[in-house]
Amino acid sequence: DGGITQSPKYLFRKEGQNVTLSCEQNLNHDAMYWYRQDPGQGLRLIYYSQIVNDFQKGDIAEGYSVSREKKESFPLTVTSAQKNPTAFYLCASSFDRESYNEQFFGPGTRLTVL
Amino acid sequence: EDQVTQSPEALRLQEGESSSLNCSYTVSGLRGLFWYRQDPGKGPEFLFTLYSAGEEKEKERLKATLTKKESFLHITAPKPEDSATYLCAVQNFGNEKLTFGTGTRLTIIP
Repeated sequence: DGGITQSPKYLFRKEGQNVTLSCEQNLNHDAMYWYRQDPGQGLRLIYYSQIVNDFQKGDIAEGYSVSREKKESFPLTVTSAQKNPTAFYLCASSFDRESYNEQFFGPGTRLTVL
Repeated sequence: EDQVTQSPEALRLQEGESSSLNCSYTVSGLRGLFWYRQDPGKGPEFLFTLYSAGEEKEKERLKATLTKKESFLHITAPKPEDSATYLCAVQNFGNEKLTFGTGTRLTIIP
């Protein structure tokens, strides 16, 4: 079965800790994305990557970091510098083509800061 | 700056009562407009992509249409299982990111 997996489903973090959220896809997609979803707000882009070993900041990159060492994987680290990290985090992927670039989403990770 | 506004915020319908959800957008060059369905606690599920004004796409009880300023998601004779939040997003040429609206929360009452 092709798809996007995220782990863990739920994550609890103490103040001052860094945590890493996993995102893996077996769709052979070129591009991968991280979004954050908060109640009453639209999804907001944190980082995206169109190719291995390259990534760009989105609208709200401060306090987050990513890596793209493999085409299939795009982990997100939420650092202690992120002031309000409690949110629902969504990973997505897509082909990087002109007319077929729909983004498909994983099931999400809910991060709660204790 | 790209903007997406969805209305209404919430909509309650009786089973079988048809209606439409609205997505108004401003974008300098529309590459695509996307509709997603999201169930509580889950990731968005892709429904449709529309590329140009006048385009229409259908899937079961859903039909999406596009003009130069807005898109409608028409739902015909809805069932309780159609209850979800429906998200609209736009993509600009030369930009990989999607700009999302805040969604319409649809509830279908049996």
